[in-house]
Amino acid sequence: GESVGLHLPTLSVQEGDNSIINCAYSNSASDYFIWYKQESGKGPQFIIDIRSNMDKRQGQRVTVLLNKTVKHLSLQIAATQPGDSAVYFCAETPGNAGNMLTFGGGTRLMVKP
Amino acid sequence: DTGVSQNPRHKITKRGQNVTFRCDPISEHNRLYWYRQTLGQGPEFLTYFQNEAQLEKSRLLSDRFSAERPKGSFSTLEIQRTEQGDSAMYLCASSLGNSNQPQHFGDGTRLSIL
Repeated sequence: GESVGLHLPTLSVQEGDNSIINCAYSNSASDYFIWYKQESGKGPQFIIDIRSNMDKRQGQRVTVLLNKTVKHLSLQIAATQPGDSAVYFCAETPGNAGNMLTFGGGTRLMVKP
Repeated sequence: DTGVSQNPRHKITKRGQNVTFRCDPISEHNRLYWYRQTLGQGPEFLTYFQNEAQLEKSRLLSDRFSAERPKGSFSTLEIQRTEQGDSAMYLCASSLGNSNQPQHFGDGTRLSIL
């Protein structure tokens, strides 16, 4: 399959450890944020979203934190598994932009067994 | 599988030819989006539809790019007179029509220009 993100920043973690992937955004008008996971040869897969009136949201094994003051978003993955290995993108949109997403540059997560 | 479907998965063509890609969104989604992704980058927004209306097309890369969604269901993206720089992954996504709804992506069409 095709390789996504050959020269992306890489986070390498041991299986079972927690992972934290960070993202900075620039548009202060952005009010909706999404994290996607992309495996080689596939499209981005929705993980979790958060609206700007929240600063934390939890899903299954994942937590997203939003700090609007410093325009920073993070994705925490608990008990990282080999199947979590992928490229992770944050995306943002202003609420009046028809959900036109602007994607960050992506981070490759590598999980060592 | 009721996810977003894109065809073909791969397209190889000679420079100067026209190509057309198809996207079938999730059935209850009335918004449909096209993005382009080059290696090592995040997807880049091109255009989107609300039902059959194309509400944003200023981000299409040139006048060689056009998209349609004639009946508000499937959509096509056409590139005329392809150039080497058009080689990329073309992704389609769909969502419900309310604000702040997640977009769900297909697996894309990989275009290679010889």
